[in-house]
Amino acid sequence: QPVLTQPSSHSASSGASVRLTCMLSSGFSVGDFWIRWYQQKPGNPPRYLLYYHSDSNKGQGSGVPSRFSGSNDASANAGILRISGLQPEDEADYYCGTWHSNSKTVVFGGGTKLTVL
Amino acid sequence: QVQLVQSGAEVKKPGASVKVSCKASGYTFTSYYMHWVRQAPGQGLEWMGIINPSGGSTSYAQKFQGRVTMTRDTSTSTVYMELSSLRSEDTAVYYCARDMTSPWGQGTLVTVSS
Repeated sequence: QPVLTQPSSHSASSGASVRLTCMLSSGFSVGDFWIRWYQQKPGNPPRYLLYYHSDSNKGQGSGVPSRFSGSNDASANAGILRISGLQPEDEADYYCGTWHSNSKTVVFGGGTKLTVL
Repeated sequence: QVQLVQSGAEVKKPGASVKVSCKASGYTFTSYYMHWVRQAPGQGLEWMGIINPSGGSTSYAQKFQGRVTMTRDTSTSTVYMELSSLRSEDTAVYYCARDMTSPWGQGTLVTVSS
């Protein structure tokens, strides 16, 4: 089954834009998967942000601001979560996940801890 | 509103079993799959399995095959996750999540300690 790899940490300044990556393991193509993104703050359950498959097949979670957006980087075989206009409250752990239909399982990345400077 | 309410924290001894409940409200229970995800202290998310509340069919992560059982009660709109042969490494917060989107339950801390 696929493996999703995320950098363990990332930092950026308030007001900046960040790209968090979720790389899909060799043998799998990111274009074949629906990548979901979650935000988790300490002591809380994960919050669903959005999913991205293609520009014509994507969706935003209820109440999630439009400054959170998804895309793919085919050259890196990775899903991307972009956060624009970074705010202090965006400091959190971010996880990507996907459903693998062949094995009927869900795979999560290890998570990225985002620090807002 | 749509919500999932889980049962309270549990403390179990190694070798015991635990059964966590997740009661759904605010939507048609049988229309959405339910997933179980756990998170050990300071660690990432780990998917355990999925249940179709409509027919009761399940699919489990290979790691938990033979130790986990997911069931549902349509009369109370509740899904259950039972984990057996508990060991210290099973200490974690266990979440139910509708369709891997929203909502998620508030989490149930299961502590395994002798």
